[in-house]
Amino acid sequence: DVKVTQSSRYLVKRTGEKVFLECVQDMDHENMFWYRQDPGLGLRLIYFSYDVKMKEKGDIPEGYSVSREKKERFSLILESASTNQTSMYLCASSRAGTKSSDTQYFGPGTRLTVL
Amino acid sequence: RKEVEQDPGPFNVPEGATVAFNCTYSNSASQSFFWYRQDCRKEPKLLMSVYSSGNEDGRFTAQLNRASQYISLLIRDSKLSDSATYLCVGRTNTGNQFYFGTGTSLTVIP
Repeated sequence: DVKVTQSSRYLVKRTGEKVFLECVQDMDHENMFWYRQDPGLGLRLIYFSYDVKMKEKGDIPEGYSVSREKKERFSLILESASTNQTSMYLCASSRAGTKSSDTQYFGPGTRLTVL
Repeated sequence: RKEVEQDPGPFNVPEGATVAFNCTYSNSASQSFFWYRQDCRKEPKLLMSVYSSGNEDGRFTAQLNRASQYISLLIRDSKLSDSATYLCVGRTNTGNQFYFGTGTSLTVIP
């Protein structure tokens, strides 16, 4: 089974703090993704990476950066957390293919609250 | 316009009922489609892939109509445990981009 893990399930930070969210997958997937999920807005893509050291902006990259130094690890960084970044953050990974089995697998999510 | 659109519901149905969800997509580059299930405060999990020929997995049937650009999910004999949010997802033919609908909420009532 694919396993995607995230470093924290719940996190509380203060405005202005630097926040690191870590994601690790154990299936040698090429692609990794960071989303945030908010009520009524669904899943919104922040960044994705299709290879080590490669990154692409998603729909809402402002206020975020990412790092992918190793294939299995994809980090999301909030340089200076703000209250509007309070959200559920979901990491996902997928193989770089077009078979029906090459779909996304999600981590359990990190519920971040910025005070 | 969103790439993938779903009726958010909520759908409240009695146990044993049949319920259908539809989803439309606008990106003709979307090659593959999936239905995910998301329980409250949990991550989305793959329910099933959607094939042009239609596919069935137990009580669940998925259909894809490329001409009309819509995807459907049919749940027969609804169980209480089917209560969840169902997400429609499209993937581009490069395999790198996924487009999620906002989800349809289903509650099965005893």
